[in-house]
Amino acid sequence: SQQGEEDPQALSIQEGENATMNCSYKTSINNLQWYRQNSGRGLVHLILIRSNEREKHSGRLRVTLDTSKKSSSLLITASRAADTASYFCATDSNDYKLSFGAGTTVTVRA
Amino acid sequence: GAGVSQSPSNKVTEKGKDVELRCDPISGHTALYWYRQSLGQGLEFLIYFQGNSAPDKSGLPSDRFSAERTGGSVSTLTIQRTQQEDSAVYLCASSRTSGSETQYFGPGTRLLVL
Repeated sequence: SQQGEEDPQALSIQEGENATMNCSYKTSINNLQWYRQNSGRGLVHLILIRSNEREKHSGRLRVTLDTSKKSSSLLITASRAADTASYFCATDSNDYKLSFGAGTTVTVRA
Repeated sequence: GAGVSQSPSNKVTEKGKDVELRCDPISGHTALYWYRQSLGQGLEFLIYFQGNSAPDKSGLPSDRFSAERTGGSVSTLTIQRTQQEDSAVYLCASSRTSGSETQYFGPGTRLLVL
């Protein structure tokens, strides 16, 4: 069963705009990870945030984690056409088994 | 190799046939995972290997599914008597160790059962 749920399911933005997507989960976690998937193939790891962290940055990515609300957000700033992909959050609640949401499909229009 | 590799990239088979999917993890990674992704869905955990420990098979959907990891490296996922609902992308991942480590994914095998 899926633990994480992403919102929105789909997002269309203009190049240069920011994209924000959210993830909610149900049970306590050790960490939360965000992955990107292009064209339905392999996932690329973007960022991992641990349960004792509140915010993390990596390049144009900013991730927040609110364990009291059991939610996380991924912000992509100054989006590019190459950011067009599906984005998944994955939670780790028992040290190895990742639970993925259904993903947010982001389309960046040139 | 630099990353996780999987073969074949695509597999088309007839209902009732057996298929074998292969995964080569990143060298030195002790943990290996198999996931399944149906069209438009998130990933579904199938099985986990860690070193020489007994694998966690709790995600395998039926006894038609099995997996091996030989020598702590290469893994094969076998689906016997395939059904149309087995059609999906099968993704393999590895991590340096277990325990909240980043998982690195292969490109996947797209399986189509006719």
